[in-house]
Amino acid sequence: DQQVKQNSPSLSVQEGRISILNCDYTNSMFDYFLWYKKYPAEGPTFLISISSIKDKNEDGRFTVFLNKSAKHLSLHIVPSQPGDSAVYFCAASGNDMRFGAGTRLTVKP
Amino acid sequence: DAMVIQNPRYQVTQFGKPVTLSCSQTLNHNVMYWYQQKSSQAPKLLFHYYDKDFNNEADTPDNFQSRRPNTSFCFLDIRSPGLGDAAMYLCATSRGDRRGYQETQYFGPGTRLLVL
Repeated sequence: DQQVKQNSPSLSVQEGRISILNCDYTNSMFDYFLWYKKYPAEGPTFLISISSIKDKNEDGRFTVFLNKSAKHLSLHIVPSQPGDSAVYFCAASGNDMRFGAGTRLTVKP
Repeated sequence: DAMVIQNPRYQVTQFGKPVTLSCSQTLNHNVMYWYQQKSSQAPKLLFHYYDKDFNNEADTPDNFQSRRPNTSFCFLDIRSPGLGDAAMYLCATSRGDRRGYQETQYFGPGTRLLVL
């Protein structure tokens, strides 16, 4: 059962533009959401998180938005840089942790 | 300053031949997790240890076992690997608490298992 879905397997943006990665979830018991970033040959690394009591969390170039009524969250990267090219995983937690399948972001110079 | 270490990075085994993957951590985290990730799929939690308490996911096959002899080390044993067990196996740690999974997880680089 895919409780966390990232419907776009890949995304390509130009350097300097905004990258928007999307994630949908089905379980209303999830109350904490995280984004992880993964480079080739490395494990996922934590990027940013948001609690369900908030609708926005910002950390430098990275902002996560949460729309609880739509069970949707998104990660905005602005401005995008070539070093941001990686696979981004969305994760949701409550009584357990579920991951999405990831979106491969490519930022072109 | 490696934090979560997985050995080996690549493991080749034969169909039905037991294999053990290892994970160690220098973070002194009380929770350790094992995930299986197949190509283009989400990491799937197999089980986790909260200190010495073992927590198995309901759909984890009996073929997969785990040991945690101390805080720093955790092993994944696959008793009789099948072709379908070929995947990336990720170990992760977190401080964790019994209320849920609201702690950041720190992942190792993974071990890619190939079953011949």
